[in-house]
Amino acid sequence: KAGVTQTPRYLIKTRGQQVTLSCSPISGHRSVSWYQQTPGQGLQFLFEYFSETQRNKGNFPGRFSGRQFSNSRSEMNVSTLELGDSALYLCASSLGSVRDTEAFFGQGTRLTVV
Amino acid sequence: AQSVTQPDIHITVSEGASLELRCNYSYGATPYLFWYVQSPGQGLQLLLKYFSGDTLVQGIKGFEAEFKRSQSSFNLRKPSVHWSDAAEYFCAVGSNDYKLSFGAGTTVTVRA
Repeated sequence: KAGVTQTPRYLIKTRGQQVTLSCSPISGHRSVSWYQQTPGQGLQFLFEYFSETQRNKGNFPGRFSGRQFSNSRSEMNVSTLELGDSALYLCASSLGSVRDTEAFFGQGTRLTVV
Repeated sequence: AQSVTQPDIHITVSEGASLELRCNYSYGATPYLFWYVQSPGQGLQLLLKYFSGDTLVQGIKGFEAEFKRSQSSFNLRKPSVHWSDAAEYFCAVGSNDYKLSFGAGTTVTVRA
């Protein structure tokens, strides 16, 4: 079966711009989570959606937002980009909660802010 | 709040030698524990997980891990390392609030 697909794979943006990243989960998976990975902070949880409802949000400023559509695809948006937003953004999908069902990760979107 | 500590930032091991990666967790309830591997430029792949039951769990690629509640540890082991095992390894704990909390990761270098 197809894995988790994240688009685009690479992105270069300028400070102050906004960006939208997309994640298509594995078919049948209703939970989508987003994580930010940087060399300094490691893997940080951004948010989790299940059937279009956000169930949890990490400790990130309001510039980071997300949503999930009825087909379980998810998008995350970062407005007013800052240099520190440069990171690998990973999406994970799972059948239910990542606590007790396997999370499958996409290859990530590499965002560079210049 | 849950947290995961991976004390070793970088480990170098010879091909064919054994490997052990350490992981300590802090979580108030029964932990759901995971080990993931990440190759350069790639996402995370699940190696194994522990939910309950037998404290020694087997995973893919010949890896195993042992859950020790008394030590709050979940160490990953492989008896004989292959060059393809060079990667970054992450220990994680799953919590009731629908997220995984990851350790800082351990980079494994395999020398010939």
